[in-house]
Amino acid sequence: AQSVTQLGSHVSVSEGALVLLRCNYSSSVPPYLFWYVQYPNQGLQLLLKYTTGATLVKGINGFEAEFKKSETSFHLTKPSAHMSDAAEYFCAVSDPLGGGKLIFGQGTELSVKP
Amino acid sequence: ETGVTQSPTHLIKTRGQQVTLRCSSQSGHNTVSWYQQALGQGPQFIFQYYREEENGRGNFPPRFSGLQFPNYSSELNVNALELDDSALYLCASSSTGVDEKLFFGSGTQLSVL
Repeated sequence: AQSVTQLGSHVSVSEGALVLLRCNYSSSVPPYLFWYVQYPNQGLQLLLKYTTGATLVKGINGFEAEFKKSETSFHLTKPSAHMSDAAEYFCAVSDPLGGGKLIFGQGTELSVKP
Repeated sequence: ETGVTQSPTHLIKTRGQQVTLRCSSQSGHNTVSWYQQALGQGPQFIFQYYREEENGRGNFPPRFSGLQFPNYSSELNVNALELDDSALYLCASSSTGVDEKLFFGSGTQLSVL
């Protein structure tokens, strides 16, 4: 069975500071890993995904994440936070043979202070 | 904009009633997935339809059912509504393949009173 744990339901950073959102997963097979962002009253938007190959993945809006198999982690980072980054972030895992079913974490709400 | 549209955007029902939610897929996508997102939680997979057939189901009771039409649009039906069914229901469309990408709609907010 697959599962996702996001450490910290709420993270607050100052504008210009480093953003670090933590995600650990459990999977019996090499997983696909995703980060999604959700703005208020909207659906989910894909930030980035890891399938195979290079373990450092770059996404939209300056975000990136690194797949670390030994740590079963896929933490999301951004060097400098913008006010527009304030949103809910979800980490998700899927089985490559699972037909696209995503298992989501509980989410981390990111606040950005001026 | 993802090209995935859901209707209605908001809905209020009472316990025991039935509800139908609708989703129009992005052009060219033949797979639709439905997710339930309770307040403060991550989305949970309900089921997926591929070319009008159910293609995987999460841990939801049979009173949650769906349809996919020849134009790949989809419906989610929930019978005998319970208070705990109150949630945001998200539809996502994708094209099949090893590296498929999900495009989510903005969701239908269902409140059961």
